[in-house]
Amino acid sequence: ELKVEQNPLFLSMQEGKNYTIYCNYSTTSDRLYWYRQDPGKSLESLFVLLSNGAVKQEGRLMASLDTKARLSTLHITAAVHDLSATYFCAPLTYKYIFGTGTRLKVLA
Amino acid sequence: EAQVTQNPRYLITVTGKKLTVTCSQNMNHEYMSWYRQDPGLGLRQIYYSMNVEVTDKGDVPEGYKVSRKEKRNFPLILESPSPNQTSLYFCASSLDYGYEQYFGPGTRLTVT
Repeated sequence: ELKVEQNPLFLSMQEGKNYTIYCNYSTTSDRLYWYRQDPGKSLESLFVLLSNGAVKQEGRLMASLDTKARLSTLHITAAVHDLSATYFCAPLTYKYIFGTGTRLKVLA
Repeated sequence: EAQVTQNPRYLITVTGKKLTVTCSQNMNHEYMSWYRQDPGLGLRQIYYSMNVEVTDKGDVPEGYKVSRKEKRNFPLILESPSPNQTSLYFCASSLDYGYEQYFGPGTRLTVT
């Protein structure tokens, strides 16, 4: 069965702290997407990781992909309140599939 | 403005009353898809369309129908809605299969 697991599911952190969200998936994929969803809103694309070892950074967020380990990470540096949202990873396999999401709350 | 639109945004209906949620994209995308989002279950794909000629079931197609008569439109049809179809629905499109998806604003459906 194709599975995509994100850890943690919920994350409450102080402003200024660093943390990493993990995305593990169970089948071969050489492409992975990260999306952000604000409460009550739609999903928007954050990163597209196209190959093993790919690293993308935008602002305080950095995403990486290890296709051999079937693992992607989303690292948050010096968190700010505006980063509070739910983050989804989505590895591309024979179909689009999404992780269950990580709900991030950044406390002032 | 490049976008995916959905209508209606909110809908409350009763069991058994047929309804259609429209989805339209103006980006000339080949691939379109419908998802439902439920607490604790993430996004699950209902149906997808690779192009105007190809439509197929996703992970949770029961109780839903779709059609793709034109490239830009991909309506979701609930012939006889039931309370277990109460959910938040998203339409999405991408240039082609494998590209990043662009999501519509969502339709919150309540079936009583």
